[in-house]
Amino acid sequence: SQQGEEDPQALSIQEGENATMNCSYKTSINNLQWYRQNSGRGLVHLILIRSNEREKHSGRLRVTLDTSKKSSSLLITASRAADTASYFCATDGSNYKLTFGKGTLLTVNP
Amino acid sequence: DAGVIQSPRHEVTEMGQEVTLRCKPISGHNSLFWYRQTMMRGLELLIYFNNNVPIDDSGMPEDRFSAKMPNASFSTLKIQPSEPRDSAVYFCASSPGTGDTQYFGPGTRLTVL
Repeated sequence: SQQGEEDPQALSIQEGENATMNCSYKTSINNLQWYRQNSGRGLVHLILIRSNEREKHSGRLRVTLDTSKKSSSLLITASRAADTASYFCATDGSNYKLTFGKGTLLTVNP
Repeated sequence: DAGVIQSPRHEVTEMGQEVTLRCKPISGHNSLFWYRQTMMRGLELLIYFNNNVPIDDSGMPEDRFSAKMPNASFSTLKIQPSEPRDSAVYFCASSPGTGDTQYFGPGTRLTVL
């Protein structure tokens, strides 16, 4: 079954605005990861947050994790046109397989 | 490091033909993953290897699909015979170990006519 589910499916914002994407999952996890995919390219790892962490930052990215609600959010601050891409969350369970959601398509308009 | 290398980047074939996709993981990585991505089903894990041994192939759609990893630097995904519904982008990824960050290749876009 699909583990991570991103919300919204698509998001369109203006350059300079913040973008928030959410991810919900169903079973317990070891960690949760966020990836980015530009059109026609492979996925690129952005950030990993472990199950015992609540928040993590990397540059303009901020990820939160609430294991009680089985949810995570990815915040991109001061967005740029180059941030236009699909963003996926991925969770791993006891078998260490990553299960990806269907992604959020972010469009940042210049 | 050149990253994960996949070949070919594009493959167009006719139904019934055999297709072989190739992957070279990042040197030193112990885990290798094959994924398939379609609009309808998203990104699906087909199989993964740890230290060249297949650990979980539950995602392989059917017997027409097979994967091998003869050594730490090479893996193949074979479809025989291919069908139009196999059309998708196939990604290979590697990671230092299970549960670590995965590094994806550029993918092979397969079209089966």
